[in-house]
Amino acid sequence: AQSVTQLGSHVSVSEGALVLLRCNYSSSVPPYLFWYVQYPNQGLQLLLKYTSAATLVKGINGFEAEFKKSETSFHLTKPSAHMSDAAEYFCAVSYLSGYSTLTFGKGTMLLVSP
Amino acid sequence: EAQVTQNPRYLITVTGKKLTVTCSQNMNHEYMSWYRQDPGLGLRQIYYSMNVEVTDKGDVPEGYKVSRKEKRNFPLILESPSPNQTSLYFCASSKSGRGPDEQFFGPGTRLTVL
Repeated sequence: AQSVTQLGSHVSVSEGALVLLRCNYSSSVPPYLFWYVQYPNQGLQLLLKYTSAATLVKGINGFEAEFKKSETSFHLTKPSAHMSDAAEYFCAVSYLSGYSTLTFGKGTMLLVSP
Repeated sequence: EAQVTQNPRYLITVTGKKLTVTCSQNMNHEYMSWYRQDPGLGLRQIYYSMNVEVTDKGDVPEGYKVSRKEKRNFPLILESPSPNQTSLYFCASSKSGRGPDEQFFGPGTRLTVL
């Protein structure tokens, strides 16, 4: 069964600092990987996704993530945090075969201080 | 505007009183899904539908029913709600439901069962 682990339920950074949100997956077959963001009182919005075309994926709002097969990781980064980045971030995994369930991690709340 | 809509956004009810949460998408998507979000648990899939009249259980289907009579609508039915169904519910849709497809989420329905 597929699974996703997000390290850290809360991450705090200062405005302008590097953002690093960690995601590891377990899989015996190549996965598709996603990062979604949830702003307060809103639904989830896709930030970026990995579909095997390129290991470094760029998304919206300056975020990017790198797929590392050897480490089974898909960490999300942003060089310089902005106050508007404060939100909850979810990593998710799916597969091509059949109708694929999207399995989510438990989420990481990003807190940005001035 | 392409979107997934849910109604109601907020609902307070009592144990045992049947309720329906509606979900509609205007993107002609084949795949639709319901999730519940609970603190510390992330999103867990309740039911999903690959197309009209085709539905299947997700990870936490107990106490819920769904139907898919039209492509655009996918209501979630709680025939006898209980307090452990107090949660934030999200409807989502995607083009085909297969691995790399992005899922589009509704704004959420916050349900409280007293």
